[in-house]
Parts: sequence; C-alpha cells; structure tokens
Amino acid sequence: AQSVTQLDSHVSVSEGTPVLLRCNYSSSYSPSLFWYVQHPNKGLQLLLKYTSAATLVKGINGFEAEFKKSETSFHLTKPSAHMSDAAEYFCVVSDLLLRGNKLVFGAGTILRVKS
Amino acid sequence: DTAVSQTPKYLVTQMGNDKSIKCEQNLGHDTMYWYKQDSKKFLKIMFSYNNKELIINETVPNRFSPKSPDKAHLNLHINSLELGDSAVYFCASSQDWGTGDEQYFGPGTRLTVT
Repeated sequence: AQSVTQLDSHVSVSEGTPVLLRCNYSSSYSPSLFWYVQHPNKGLQLLLKYTSAATLVKGINGFEAEFKKSETSFHLTKPSAHMSDAAEYFCVVSDLLLRGNKLVFGAGTILRVKS
Repeated sequence: DTAVSQTPKYLVTQMGNDKSIKCEQNLGHDTMYWYKQDSKKFLKIMFSYNNKELIINETVPNRFSPKSPDKAHLNLHINSLELGDSAVYFCASSQDWGTGDEQYFGPGTRLTVT
C-alpha cells in the first residue's frame, strides 16, 4: 500500500520568506502525488499534482513541488510566503486498488505566516 | 458555479438518530467519494462510486450506507449515530478512477453528535 509522511506538523515563516513543506512517500510503483491545501473551516483545494511527466510541477498561487525518486520525496516550496498562505497542507498519494483508486493523505502540515 | 456541493454544511444531532448528507457534482465526473476527517484533521476514504456502482468500501461500519441515484449524486445515510461519528465529512469527485485523476472536494459537512 502507498503511504506519505509529512515531516513537519507545523512550519512557521515570516511573510516574504521562502516556504518549504516536506513530504516523503512510499510506493511500490510509480506514484501519482498531490498537494492539497485546507484553509480554516474550508474544503480541500488542489494545489498541484505529479503524474510521471515533468519532475518539477508548478501549481497555483506560486507553489511548486519537485518529485525526487532517489529520495522518495515530493517537497512543496514557494519563493515568498504571503499571509493568505496560512493554512494546513496535505501531501497525498494515489493508491491504485483492484477497482478504483483512493487518495491516501499525510497527517498535514500547518503553515503559519508571521507579519 | 459550485463544482461539488454538500448539504447540510452543519449537522447537530443526538446519539441514536439517523441522518443523511447529500452531495452533488456538476463537473460531469464518473466517480464520487466520501471521506471522513477526524478531530485531528486526519482524512480517510470511506466509499467510492463509479457510474452509480460501489467500487470502494473501506471497512466502514454498516451503519453507514452510501447511495448513488445517478452519477452526479452520492448521498451518505448514517443510522444509529454514535459520539465517534462526529467529524467533518467530505464528498469528492474525479473524472474517472485512474490514479492520475485529481479529486475535487466539496466544502464539507461538520457532523456533531451529542
């Protein structure tokens, strides 16, 4: 079964500084990986996805992630944090079943942005 | 235009009651899902339907019964509610059931059982 581990439960950055949210995955085959964001009391929004095309994936709101097979990592980055980026971020792997597929979520990383 | 919508947004009820949550998607997707987010924000899949057919059932108590009247709707009925059922329930949809298909989530239904 596929799994993801988010290495930090909380990350705090100052506005205008870079963001790094770390994620490692475990997969027995070439995985599909996603990052979702959840703002307080809101639903989940897809930031970006990797599906074995380019290893550097660009998403919405200036976020990007790099797939590194040798390190089994899929870290999320942003060059300059904005106050509106404060939210919880989930690294997700798609687990292909006999029928269908399910998203397997990491435990989440809460990003705090200080002014 | 709301892509995936759920009703109600909040649901407060007493133990032992039966309640339903409705979900509709207007994206023309073939596959729909229910996820549960517990108090620690951990998200886990419960069910998945493809073209009205149940394809995933993740060891959920049989008090939970999903129903898909058509491929745009997936409802969740819960019998004999328990305190542990308190959570946020998210509906999602995807174009198909492939691993590369991103899932679009609804706003969630916060269920509180007292």
